[in-house]
Amino acid sequence: DAGVTQSPTHLIKTRGQQVTLRCSPKSGHDTVSWYQQALGQGPQFIFQYYEEEERQRGNFPDRFSGHQFPNYSSELNVNALLLGDSALYLCASSPVGLGDTQYFGPGTRLTVL
Amino acid sequence: AQTVTQSQPEMSVQEAETVTLSCTYDTSESNYYLFWYKQPPSRQMILVIRQEAYKQQNATENRFSVNFQKAAKSFSLKISDSQLGDTAMYFCAFMKMDSNYQLIWGAGTKLIIKP
Repeated sequence: DAGVTQSPTHLIKTRGQQVTLRCSPKSGHDTVSWYQQALGQGPQFIFQYYEEEERQRGNFPDRFSGHQFPNYSSELNVNALLLGDSALYLCASSPVGLGDTQYFGPGTRLTVL
Repeated sequence: AQTVTQSQPEMSVQEAETVTLSCTYDTSESNYYLFWYKQPPSRQMILVIRQEAYKQQNATENRFSVNFQKAAKSFSLKISDSQLGDTAMYFCAFMKMDSNYQLIWGAGTKLIIKP
């Protein structure tokens, strides 16, 4: 049983560019959450998707947007990249009916130059 | 707003020793979940243990156990018979129960197990 998967593993972009990160949830999970983890810090909640809708959003600007597909996989899009967007982006999925426990993927390391 | 505080930036113990990591939180909620996650150098966040606030019994998972003191808003993690593979960042996290599914995280404690 595959766990949560994320792609790509690493990504290097320049300021002003746009980036798309992808996440496939664990089998049997229908909810996907995204977090940003700056170096040396705890993760910060970006948003959560359930039934293809954004259910909840953290304190992130509109440059951060997402999508969930019918197969429950999800994308995180960041527009107009800033140097401060450099971070590890973590995707987590939750089981149907048990949204309280989140299981994480390996993350995507984004570097903005 | 809820906050989570981990006051130990780094800890170091010898292999096979017992170590306790501290976590305190602030909330006005009465129903919530608390978690400990482990993040090794591989970066993947791994769930260690989960506690429901309405349960008085402390959660246990093999060598890992918690001391949950609801009145004091304290949630410490004890690792018994520590192993080299326990070396990692450990994060304490809080989640409100019902209608709020975001995890609120502490800053983490770096745990080093020495041979």
